[in-house]
Amino acid sequence: DAGVIQSPRHEVTEMGQEVTLRCKPISGHNSLFWYRQTMMRGLELLIYFNNNVPIDDSGMPEDRFSAKMPNASFSTLKIQPSEPRDSAVYFCASSFSGTRSYNEQFFGPGTRLTVL
Amino acid sequence: GEDVEQSLFLSVREGDSSVINCTYTDSSSTYLYWYKQEPGAGLQLLTYIFSNMDMKQDQRLTVLLNKKDKHLSLRIADTQTGDSAIYFCAERGSSASKIIFGSGTRLSIRP
Repeated sequence: DAGVIQSPRHEVTEMGQEVTLRCKPISGHNSLFWYRQTMMRGLELLIYFNNNVPIDDSGMPEDRFSAKMPNASFSTLKIQPSEPRDSAVYFCASSFSGTRSYNEQFFGPGTRLTVL
Repeated sequence: GEDVEQSLFLSVREGDSSVINCTYTDSSSTYLYWYKQEPGAGLQLLTYIFSNMDMKQDQRLTVLLNKKDKHLSLRIADTQTGDSAIYFCAERGSSASKIIFGSGTRLSIRP
């Protein structure tokens, strides 16, 4: 398996532009997570899905952020409009979640977003 | 609420043991984890421990769990330069899917 795939790996955009980050989870996994990592705030959980349904979006910073999971093999995180403070590394992770499983999360390589 | 705390930095001499500590708040945690993040990469699971265990050993790694004090530690024996990374402590919270991560401890190795 190729692991969790994220695209693009790097994105540089100007303030006010729309940014779309993409994620393909590992086949067979039923949970998907979006995280943001910055030096100042560390690793933050933005939103997670179980079986394509958003379960907890309390970490989404503002209405400018939205996430979708139209099917089990694809998810997007959109920022519209983007601001310089959104600059960070965004990670997607997936897992097979069950109550009797240790639920290892597999992380993608991340998308480094720079908003000028 | 659920929270995981760990120190931000640790510096050790090559060949010495490294001990990274973590405290958590959720007494109902079932699994606790250590993830490793190397520069420019995502996090990778290093090891985990089930809450009914006190200790788990895997080659150079030893995990100690004190449930009474809600304290977790990771000991790396004979620390090597390749161990330089950020180490994240994490717990599985009340949701079966969600994992709560600490802020990460940056381990640096000096010669």
